[in-house]
Amino acid sequence: EVDLVESGGGLVKPGGSLRISCVASGFTFSKAWMSWVRQAPGKGLEWVGRIKTKSDGGTTDYAAPAKGRFTISRDDSKNTLYLQMNSLKTEDTAVYYCITTLGYWGQGTLVTVSS
Amino acid sequence: QTVVTQEPSLTVSPGGTVTLTCASSTGAVTSGCSPNWFQQKLGQAPRALIYSTNKKHSWTPARFSGSLLGGKAALTLSGVQPEDEAEYYCLLYCGGTQGVFGGGTKLTVL
Repeated sequence: EVDLVESGGGLVKPGGSLRISCVASGFTFSKAWMSWVRQAPGKGLEWVGRIKTKSDGGTTDYAAPAKGRFTISRDDSKNTLYLQMNSLKTEDTAVYYCITTLGYWGQGTLVTVSS
Repeated sequence: QTVVTQEPSLTVSPGGTVTLTCASSTGAVTSGCSPNWFQQKLGQAPRALIYSTNKKHSWTPARFSGSLLGGKAALTLSGVQPEDEAEYYCLLYCGGTQGVFGGGTKLTVL
């Protein structure tokens, strides 16, 4: 059974940093392109970025709001996806989901940016 | 910055058929945009329904189908069930690298 479990969310002050994680199981993580998607309270879905497999170059792509502040990485030995978020703004407050191109979603982790 | 547009809301009767569409500000949506469709019910995480325009996941009910229609991506529900009431989102990769979600369509079954 496929499972994606996000963790590391919480309350952080504007300008601060946070790293959230997503542990995957039930599929060959190293062969999956992985993405982060977020949803602000009461709003729609927003694509944050993705990372390809190492065999496809391991490259990353980001949406404009994330470029230069967020970094997606992966540790295939730990079946774990990461999202490092720096210079956080109040508008980054959202539930962050990790997803695979196989169609699976985690339950999300809430990141709140507030003073 | 690409903008992806969906109908804000649609209403359909149980047993009816409804088509949701997804348009890109950059021009016609093609298979190269790799359209994806997701369903989100109130208080739940989204669930993937369709990928690569018209491919279904193993859990996608047969009444859901994806296509390209008039320069847009389309999601058609045939024989709508009450449990299909939800928000539906499309995701396009028309630029090849960045994904963009549509604003979502709230589907009411009434």
